[in-house]
Amino acid sequence: KAGVTQTPRYLIKTRGQQVTLSCSPISGHRSVSWYQQTPGQGLQFLFEYFSETQRNKGNFPGRFSGRQFSNSRSEMNVSTLELGDSALYLCASSLTASGTGELFFGEGSRLTVL
Amino acid sequence: GIQVEQSPPDLILQEGANSTLRCNFSDSVNNLQWFHQNPWGQLINLFYIPSGTKQNGRLSATTVATERYSLLYISSSQTTDSGVYFCAVELREGGGNKLTFGTGTQLKVEL
Repeated sequence: KAGVTQTPRYLIKTRGQQVTLSCSPISGHRSVSWYQQTPGQGLQFLFEYFSETQRNKGNFPGRFSGRQFSNSRSEMNVSTLELGDSALYLCASSLTASGTGELFFGEGSRLTVL
Repeated sequence: GIQVEQSPPDLILQEGANSTLRCNFSDSVNNLQWFHQNPWGQLINLFYIPSGTKQNGRLSATTVATERYSLLYISSSQTTDSGVYFCAVELREGGGNKLTFGTGTQLKVEL
């Protein structure tokens, strides 16, 4: 069974640009969540989707957005990139709807903003 | 919000040694997971352990939910155990698959 797949794995952008990251969950998993990891702030929750609905959102500015498609694949978008957005972005999927299930993470998308 | 504290922050072991990593959390939780972050950044699931004790090879974990802590035991450590270990919890109220991570324990196992 394939794991959580994230694309692209690495990307470099300049300030002011926007970026879209993609995540394909484990087959059958309908919950997808996103996390940002930086050396200064550690791992922080961005948002979580279930059946195309955002159920939970972290404390990030509106420049960070996401969506989920009917096949459970998810994308997140960051607009007007800032240097501080350089980070490892991790996607996780879960089987359960209730929020008490085990989360499985992808390998991440490493974003560098110059 | 919930606070998740891990100790020690850094740990250096000789190969073959045993160690215990601790995770304290400040509120009641639905879910607790331990992860090992590999050098490429992926979080590898070690245990899903909201309560009780589990073992997987040289690793075992215990969560005492009523006292709000969890322990990860590594026995007979190997160099491949090096990396960062995170615990992450989901609040009992309003969880929704939202994990709050601790700051991690950086483990280095030397020959």
